[in-house]
Amino acid sequence: DAGVTQSPTHLIKTRGQQVTLRCSPKSGHDTVSWYQQALGQGPQFIFQYYEEEERQRGNFPDRFSGHQFPNYSSELNVNALLLGDSALYLCASSSGTGFHQPQHFGDGTRLSIL
Amino acid sequence: TQLLEQSPQFLSIQEGENLTVYCNSSSVFSSLQWYRQEPGEGPVLLVTVVTGGEVKKLKRLTFQFGDARKDSSLHITAAQPGDTGLYLCAGGYYGQNFVFGPGTRLSVLP
Repeated sequence: DAGVTQSPTHLIKTRGQQVTLRCSPKSGHDTVSWYQQALGQGPQFIFQYYEEEERQRGNFPDRFSGHQFPNYSSELNVNALLLGDSALYLCASSSGTGFHQPQHFGDGTRLSIL
Repeated sequence: TQLLEQSPQFLSIQEGENLTVYCNSSSVFSSLQWYRQEPGEGPVLLVTVVTGGEVKKLKRLTFQFGDARKDSSLHITAAQPGDTGLYLCAGGYYGQNFVFGPGTRLSVLP
């Protein structure tokens, strides 16, 4: 039973570029949430997708957008990259949108902006 | 804006010692979760607590949710090197998003 998988594991971009990160949820899960974890900090909620729609959103600018596909997999897109976007991006899947539901995390994509 | 605080920020102890880490909020949680994260990996859920005053045990780990549902503690008995990691609390708030604390980085020395 595969857990949450994320790709790529590492990525290096330059300022102003655009990036797409991918996530496949744990089998049986229908909800995907994305988090940004800066070095030495806890994860910060970006947004959550359920039934192919963004259901909740944290305090992140419109440069951050996402998509969920019919097979429940998801993408996180970031446009006009800034140095401050350097972080570990984590995807978590769950069954249902309630935050009391157990969330299963992938190992993240480490994004470095030069 | 909800703010989650965790203390201590760092903790280094010898194998066999007991320890307690804390999670506090200015707002009432609808639910609270504890996670452990190891370097290069995503957080792993340890427990979810929902009811004020609730106590849950997971082997040598004891989790307590405050009566007012604004604070929580994690107690580890006879810590082992395998307990080393970043301990994160995360709260769900009524009608609000999910918020993680900054974490307590625990190092258990053999």
